[in-house]
Amino acid sequence: DAKTTQPPSMDCAEGRAANLPCNHSTISGNEYVYWYRQIHSQGPQYIIHGLKNNETNEMASLIITEDRKSSTLILPHATLRDTAVYYCIVRASGGYNKLIFGAGTRLAVHP
Amino acid sequence: DAGVIQSPRHEVTEMGQEVTLRCKPISGHDYLFWYRQTMMRGLELLIYFNNNVPIDDSGMPEDRFSAKMPNASFSTLKIQPSEPRDSAVYFCASSPRKGNNEQFFGPGTRLTVL
Repeated sequence: DAKTTQPPSMDCAEGRAANLPCNHSTISGNEYVYWYRQIHSQGPQYIIHGLKNNETNEMASLIITEDRKSSTLILPHATLRDTAVYYCIVRASGGYNKLIFGAGTRLAVHP
Repeated sequence: DAGVIQSPRHEVTEMGQEVTLRCKPISGHDYLFWYRQTMMRGLELLIYFNNNVPIDDSGMPEDRFSAKMPNASFSTLKIQPSEPRDSAVYFCASSPRKGNNEQFFGPGTRLTVL
C-alpha cells in the first residue's frame, strides 16, 4: 500500500472550514483514499473515501487532485467536537486489504 | 444496533498473569480486526478474521499473543504471560463484506500491566 504524509497538527477556528491535506504521491491506479478520525479516548471512525472523483457526505468532502498524488479532507463548518486525530489511508481495492494507520493530523478546533 | 462491544473497558493486571480481552462484532459483519494503540507505535493491526477464520496474523507481536473467533458473534485476544510493555489500548473492529469496507471500531480496552 502507498504511504501517506500528513502534517502533524493543525488549528482551526470554530465555524470555519478545516482543510486537511494528505500527500500520497506513490498511489497506484487501484488504490482508494480513506479518511478516518479518532476523537480522544474513542475508537477510530470512518469519514469518507474516494478513488479519483471528489466525494461528499454528511460529514465531509474529499477533494482528490487530478494526478491523484494528493487529497484534501474538508470539514465545511468545524465545531469543537471535530477536534480529533485525522488519518489519511491509501488502500487497494478488490478482496479485502487491511488499513495501515499512520501518525495522522491532530486537528484542534478552538472557539 | 449497539455497535462493536468490547469487555472489559479497563483491565489492570500484574506481570505474568493471563489477560483475555473480548469482542462482540456487529451482527452480520464478516470481518473482525484486533488493533493495539500505544503512544510510541500508534495504531497497529494485530490480526483479522474473515468468516471466523484468521486471515492475517502478521501483526501479532509474539507467541504470547493469541486470538480466536469461535463463532460469528464473539472473539477473544489472549496474552499469556502478560508483560508491562503490553500496556496499551486494544481495539476491536468489524466490517461487512459488501459496501465500502468501512470498519466500525469498538470503544477499546485499556490494559495496564504492572
